[in-house]
Amino acid sequence: LAKTTQPISMDSYEGQEVNITCSHNNIATNDYITWYQQFPSQGPRFIIQGYKTKVTNEVASLFIPADRKSSTLSLPRVSLSDTAVYYCLVGDIASGTYKYIFGTGTRLKVLA
Amino acid sequence: ETGVTQTPRHLVMGMTNKKSLKCEQHLGHNAMYWYKQSAKKPLELMFVYNFKEQTENNSVPSRFSPECPNSSHLFLHLHTLQPEDSALYLCASSQAMKGQYNEKLFFGSGTQLSVL
Repeated sequence: LAKTTQPISMDSYEGQEVNITCSHNNIATNDYITWYQQFPSQGPRFIIQGYKTKVTNEVASLFIPADRKSSTLSLPRVSLSDTAVYYCLVGDIASGTYKYIFGTGTRLKVLA
Repeated sequence: ETGVTQTPRHLVMGMTNKKSLKCEQHLGHNAMYWYKQSAKKPLELMFVYNFKEQTENNSVPSRFSPECPNSSHLFLHLHTLQPEDSALYLCASSQAMKGQYNEKLFFGSGTQLSVL
């Protein structure tokens, strides 16, 4: 089963770039890497998804090395409103069903 | 607004009550999910429905009973719950396509359940 490992928590200051790395050593050939953001008492929200190399959108960048055993979410110039839990997901195929298993996530705290 | 609506937002119930959580998605997706999130814990996958068929029951106690009458609606029927079942219950949907593994989950805002 694919499994992800992330730092439990990180602190940053407003205006800084934040990089959160996720380890997924057992990623399968077909799996994509997807990152979600969750605020308290809300459902997670999709941020970015990639398969290899680099993906960028208006919110973040995702860096994936050639071996795909890890990925790094990069948030440019964070603000206080970026304080949230960030989850890295890879697909998980078991018993013929494709499903998404959330890990512990990384609790990012942005300080003024 | 994610296109996934959950009601009610908050629910308080006694251990002998029967209640239902409702989820509706307006995205035309064909897969729906129930997740449970206890305080300060990761999300736990409970049930998965693909094309209205239940494809996953992640060892969930029988006091939780899902129902998926069509691809847009998902219910979670609750009866004789325990205080430890108090949690945020999240519904999600996705467009599942055979042979493709880049589905994105769209979550509702959840139902905060308290069992007294």
